Amino acid sequence: SQTIHQWPATLVQPVGSPLSLECTVEGTSNPNLYWYRQAAGRGLQLLFYSVGIGQISSEVPQNLSASRPQDRQFILSSKKLLLSDSGFYLCAWSTGGGQGAWGTEAFFGQGTRLTVV
Amino acid sequence: AQSVSQHNHHVILSEAASLELGCNYSYGGTVNLFWYVQYPGQHLQLLLKYFSGDPLVKGIKGFEAEFIKSKFSFNLRKPSVQWSDTAEYFCAVNPTDPGGSYIPTFGRGTSLIVHP
Repeated sequence: SQTIHQWPATLVQPVGSPLSLECTVEGTSNPNLYWYRQAAGRGLQLLFYSVGIGQISSEVPQNLSASRPQDRQFILSSKKLLLSDSGFYLCAWSTGGGQGAWGTEAFFGQGTRLTVV
Repeated sequence: AQSVSQHNHHVILSEAASLELGCNYSYGGTVNLFWYVQYPGQHLQLLLKYFSGDPLVKGIKGFEAEFIKSKFSFNLRKPSVQWSDTAEYFCAVNPTDPGGSYIPTFGRGTSLIVHP
């Protein structure tokens, strides 16, 4: 069966420090991968998606970047964190579809609670 | 671009009460529709989905939703809630017309608290 792992679960980082959040998927090949940010009362905002190794699409301009060095690995990064980067970050995968399209559904990781201080 | 509106941000019910959470979207074309649930401390998981066919969709744990195309709505219902239904609920809408975004837009979520 397919599983998705996301770590760390919580992270407290000072302003200006770098960030690296990792997400890996097991049990499937060539998935579409997604990074979302969930803010209280604001739902899920899509940040990045990837349809293949090295292919990243950004949905919103921001201080963050994403990379996909391997088929089932998706990394969310920042060179210098801002206070406004605090939030709950979710990684998700779906069966491969053109232009990042979801298959029948998407499967989410447990999330990372990031607090920038 | 499409938008998704969940009217109730916070709902508090007693056990055995009936539940209806509203979801409306703004998009004139063909859509896929989802309800996701996030229980405390757990990951988001699919509750139910509508792609085509019978507009009344049944999901897990006794939930159902009805797609009313003329009203651009996909409301979630449960006849009798339990304490274990305490969670946050998200509606998502995915345009499927050619040229659409193909990745769902989520609503803001509804926090449901059920008192025993």
